[in-house]
This record gives sequence, structure tokens and C-alpha cells, in this order.
Amino acid sequence: AQSVAQPEDQVNVAEGNPLTVKCTYSVSGNPYLFWYVQYPNRGLQFLLKYITGDNLVKGSYGFEAEFNKSQTSFHLKKPSALVSDSALYFCAVRVLNTGGFKTIFGAGTRLFVKA
Amino acid sequence: GAVVSQHPSRVICKSGTSVKIECRSLDFQATTMFWYRQFPKKSLMLMATSNEGSKATYEQGVEKDKFLINHASLTLSTLTVTSAHPEDSSFYICSARVTGLAGVEQFFGPGTRLTVL
Repeated sequence: AQSVAQPEDQVNVAEGNPLTVKCTYSVSGNPYLFWYVQYPNRGLQFLLKYITGDNLVKGSYGFEAEFNKSQTSFHLKKPSALVSDSALYFCAVRVLNTGGFKTIFGAGTRLFVKA
Repeated sequence: GAVVSQHPSRVICKSGTSVKIECRSLDFQATTMFWYRQFPKKSLMLMATSNEGSKATYEQGVEKDKFLINHASLTLSTLTVTSAHPEDSSFYICSARVTGLAGVEQFFGPGTRLTVL
């Protein structure tokens, strides 16, 4: 079955420190991978995606993610965390579906950045 | 990016009533929209894929008669929760699929919080 796993429910980081939010996937074929961020009572905002090309993908707000095919991972990273980065982060994979595609989301990881 | 709106943003209703949630693509046409449900502190669960002018495709375990989806135009899809009960209380998010120069993209609405008393 095609799936996305985010092994950490919560990640705590001090402001200014680097952060990593982990994601692993299981799909058949080449994966289309995404990261989204959700603030309280809001919809999802797109951060970045990997379709093909360079394994290191740069996205919005200074975030980046590294696609690792051998480890089937797509971890989200940021060199220096901000308090305003505190939010819920979702990793997702797009898979083919009848008539098009559908997006499967991981369970989400809540990021807390302390000042 | 493209903008997707939802209305209402919050709704509180009595048990047994029906609630309609609208999802609109504001500056583009969307032949395909998705409806998700998000439980507290949980991930998004795809409920159905809504295709303009045809019947929605529901995910396994989602009751078609409970969650009515209509996609009558290229800019509007509606989700009606019929005979709502407290267990239907949730955060409902719609999303629209766009095919453009950057390939296929998906844009999300801000969500609708439904509380059934």
C-alpha cells in the first residue's frame, strides 16, 4: 500500500537552531513528494515539492527538503528556526488514482520553536 | 498561487440538521476538487474527489448519502453534511487541482470548522 509516515508527533527546537522534520514514504514508481504547513484553524500552505531533478529542494520561508531514494525519505529542514515556524507540518505523496491523482498525507508533526 | 475559498469558515448546528459547505476557486477553473476531513491533531483524510459535471468519487468508508458532493460549475463544489451528528464535527478542507505551466498543482482552501451540538 502507498503511504507516508512521519515518525515524530512533535519536534521541539530552540530559536536559531537547525530543525529537521522527518518523513518516509512507500510508493510504487517514482514518488511525487510534498511538504505543507498548517497554522491553527487554517488550511494547508504549500512549502515545497520534489518531482524530479536535484535531490535537495528549496522552498518557501527558508525551508528545504532532501529526497533520498535509498532511504525512501524526504526530511524537511531549515538551518535556523524561527518562533513563527511553530505550526503543524504535513508530508504528502501524490499517487495516481482513477481519473487523475490523489494526495496521501502523513499524520503530521507539530513543531514548537522556543524563543 | 491560485486562491481557493471556503464558506462558511465556521458553522455550529443542531444535531439532525444539514449543513452545506462551499468551495470556490476564485481566479481559475477547477475541473477537479478534493474534499478532506481533519480530526483534531490528526492528518487529513481524503473523503472524495469531485469532478465537474459528474458524480464524485468517494473513498472507501465514506458514506455517499451522508456527505453529498456537488460540482455543478468549474468554480464551485459543495459538500453537504446531511442529518449531521456530533461525530461529524470536524475541520473540512477542500482543495482544487490546477494544471498549468508548472505542471499539476493542488491548492487548498482555508477550511471550515463544523461543530454539531
